[in-house]
Amino acid sequence: GEDVEQSLFLSVREGDSSVINCTYTDSSSTYLYWYKQEPGAGLQLLTYIFSNMDMKQDQRLTVLLNKKDKHLSLRIADTQTGDSAIYFCAEKEAGGTSYGKLTFGQGTILTVHP
Amino acid sequence: GAVVSQHPSRVICKSGTSVKIECRSLDFQATTMFWYRQFPKQSLMLMATSNEGSKATYEQGVEKDKFLINHASLTLSTLTVTSAHPEDSSFYICSGDHLDTQYFGPGTRLTVL
Repeated sequence: GEDVEQSLFLSVREGDSSVINCTYTDSSSTYLYWYKQEPGAGLQLLTYIFSNMDMKQDQRLTVLLNKKDKHLSLRIADTQTGDSAIYFCAEKEAGGTSYGKLTFGQGTILTVHP
Repeated sequence: GAVVSQHPSRVICKSGTSVKIECRSLDFQATTMFWYRQFPKQSLMLMATSNEGSKATYEQGVEKDKFLINHASLTLSTLTVTSAHPEDSSFYICSGDHLDTQYFGPGTRLTVL
């Protein structure tokens, strides 16, 4: 079945850029998403990208998609302590009985040091 | 926009009792809602897909008689954990599908004693 992989931990200094990477296996994915989860809370949608796009920028967030390598990344510019959280990438399954379902990565724990 | 609420946020119950969790889309209509379970320090596990006006579709390994889902309106889906046991203790999160994106509720922490 579909699989989404992320590195588990990332530690950065405040003010630096953070880059969180994700790889996926489903070549027919339609959308790819980045969600943020703070302790004890639900998931907050950060951004998403259509599978026919290469890049999307939204304020401090930049998403890069390499469809050939099935690689997705999220760059957070000027990382702040408030960005410390778990970041999940997810891909949306394209069709059939799985339509609309999301497959999540394991989550990357981002720690921002002052 | 696209806000999803859950109630209660936290519940503690005795073993053998049933617990109902509500998931509401506040500013959109959700034909499809999803129920997830999340164990500590782990990713989300999809339990079932809830479609308004029809039976839920459960993922493999999820007991439909234990986790009852009702999606009676376009803004409300409920998950009832029947005859709860300590192993059902977990964080339950729902989401509503809106314009090709899932928006998540804040989650419900269930503790079964």
